[in-house]
Amino acid sequence: DAGITQSPRHKVTETGTPVTLRCHQTENHRYMYWYRQDPGHGLRLIHYSYGVKDTDKGEVSDGYSVSRSKTEDFLLTLESATSSQTSVYFCAISETPPWGPYSNYGYTFGSGTRLTVV
Amino acid sequence: QKEVEQDPGPLSVPEGAIVSLNCTYSNSAFQYFMWYRQYSRKGPELLMYTYSSGNKEDGRFTAQVDKSSKYISLFIRDSQPSDSATYLCSAWGVDSGGSNYKLTFGKGTLLTVNP
Repeated sequence: DAGITQSPRHKVTETGTPVTLRCHQTENHRYMYWYRQDPGHGLRLIHYSYGVKDTDKGEVSDGYSVSRSKTEDFLLTLESATSSQTSVYFCAISETPPWGPYSNYGYTFGSGTRLTVV
Repeated sequence: QKEVEQDPGPLSVPEGAIVSLNCTYSNSAFQYFMWYRQYSRKGPELLMYTYSSGNKEDGRFTAQVDKSSKYISLFIRDSQPSDSATYLCSAWGVDSGGSNYKLTFGKGTLLTVNP
């Protein structure tokens, strides 16, 4: 996915350990998002950022924290991983804010990180 | 009730068939309606974008929104094996509480086009 890179692509971790996922963009977009995708739930917003050091919660933020120290990087941290956080995590970027107006370019998603908590 | 409901399928069709994918939504404040396509092990990518009611056509793809019935549709003509993917409908607008704007996704429909 041009312009947006997620790392790692796959990770297996143990319950109770901290985990950090990284999203890096080269599009210089101000707005960045972390989603999780689970069977039966679809895509759900965890946190989003509207600028360096500016972040806010999404609909499923419990157990997650985020940080954005540079425009291009948005980190998602699971403070103490649980099995319920086994999921595929997607980072997304957009030119316009989540509160609108909505852009016809939509959101650009990364290729995802597949996280398994055992 | 989820704000955007989508039949998860799976849906399997022969090559060349016309495919109809559908969603319903409950929030009348939604203004923008999108279809994202997601190939296996990849992130979603924007396929079609529609503002309010009406039709939008792009090649073999037609997106249709009927706000009176709260119905979102995607039609694929002359379907190809390369169209095999999960299709996510989504809607954007103020949430049911009236205070926050949000982008809401359906669960996705898995489509397989068989050669």
